[in-house]
Amino acid sequence: AQSVTQPDIHITVSEGASLELRCNYSYGATPYLFWYVQSPGQGLQLLLKYFSGDTLVQGIKGFEAEFKRSQSSFNLRKPSVHWSDAAEYFCAVGPPEYGNKLVFGAGTILRVKS
Amino acid sequence: EPEVTQTPSHQVTQMGQEVILRCVPISNHLYFYWYRQILGQKVEFLVSFYNNEISEKSEIFDDQFSVERPDGSNFTLKIRSTKLEDSAMYFCASQTKKNTEAFFGQGTRLTVV
Repeated sequence: AQSVTQPDIHITVSEGASLELRCNYSYGATPYLFWYVQSPGQGLQLLLKYFSGDTLVQGIKGFEAEFKRSQSSFNLRKPSVHWSDAAEYFCAVGPPEYGNKLVFGAGTILRVKS
Repeated sequence: EPEVTQTPSHQVTQMGQEVILRCVPISNHLYFYWYRQILGQKVEFLVSFYNNEISEKSEIFDDQFSVERPDGSNFTLKIRSTKLEDSAMYFCASQTKKNTEAFFGQGTRLTVV
């Protein structure tokens, strides 16, 4: 069965520092890949998605993610973190032949210190 | 910008009671979903709905659960007899067509006491 691993439960970075959140998936082929963000009291907002093509994808709020097939990874990056980026980040996989449901990772809580 | 709307944002119910969680998906979307997140756990798929019928459901989605799209705009999740372990955040999502991104609502926090 497909699965998604986000190895870091919590990450703390200083404002202005770079950020990388890790995501690995287990799946036999190339799935569709997503990053969602959840701020306190808010829903899940899509940051970016990968379906095919260029393996470096740009998203909203200055985020980007790189799909690496050889490592089964889809890590999320941002060059300079802002205090407003503090939230929980979820990586999700949408294997095409499993219909349209998403399989989520456990999430990474990002704290930003000033 | 169109968004998925869920009501209520928080519901407290007594064990054994029926609850209905409501969602208004984005208007031109055709695929609808419910997910849930128990506190401290992953977001889990419950059910998908297309063309007025369930297209897929997880093992969590047992006979206590049902979904309905009663009027072409609302999409509801009913839990017939709530249990303590049904306490969770429930998310509704919708998408335009297969293999596109899903848009999520802000969630309904259900607390069963």
